[in-house]
Amino acid sequence: GQQLNQSPQSMFIQEGEDVSMNCTSSSIFNTWLWYKQDPGEGPVLLIALYKAGELTSNGRLTAQFGITRKDSFLNISASIPSDVGIYFCAGQLNSAGTASKLTFGTGTRLQVTL
Amino acid sequence: GAVVSQHPSRVICKSGTSVKIECRSLDFQATTMFWYRQFPKKSLMLMATSNEGSKATYEQGVEKDKFLINHASLTLSTLTVTSAHPEDSSFYICSARDLNRPLGGYTFGSGTRLTVV
Repeated sequence: GQQLNQSPQSMFIQEGEDVSMNCTSSSIFNTWLWYKQDPGEGPVLLIALYKAGELTSNGRLTAQFGITRKDSFLNISASIPSDVGIYFCAGQLNSAGTASKLTFGTGTRLQVTL
Repeated sequence: GAVVSQHPSRVICKSGTSVKIECRSLDFQATTMFWYRQFPKKSLMLMATSNEGSKATYEQGVEKDKFLINHASLTLSTLTVTSAHPEDSSFYICSARDLNRPLGGYTFGSGTRLTVV
């Protein structure tokens, strides 16, 4: 099936540093979602974006829905050890009122060193 | 709110046997649930869309006779891996969306680690 391209694939950063990752698609989406997955667990929703150009924050996390509707980025400021995990973007073509399928990105593995 | 429970969390079975995995929406009704498969260090790949009261919709390349899906009620979907083989060993995850939460994303279960020996 289709997957969205995420970059970087992995990153090692020091505690306190800011992190930036992005997600690109060859087709447009109406909704972009960012999830974090810890080992052996299901993904947990971090941020949902519903409108092209939208910039949304959730604590130290900020995400934007690209104007072209084909990309999104996620920033994490002042990283802490518990930010370690795999971050996935996901796109959905239909948004409110429907439960259509998600297409996931390839993932960005984040490791934080003290 | 919007809690999805998946059971069991881990299962080991012998080759040739069948395994059933349950996915329940605990505090909302879900007419649609989704089943994913995830290999180590890989992304989630959608296997099928489970529809309450009707047949599941399978993604290309997923054998429907191998992965039986039953969406028996508005809060329960089951995935049965029939005649399991070692190559079926994987992490299986379900998800659902609470349509009553206008700005909610999809909620995922905690996953089931299947090991076929």
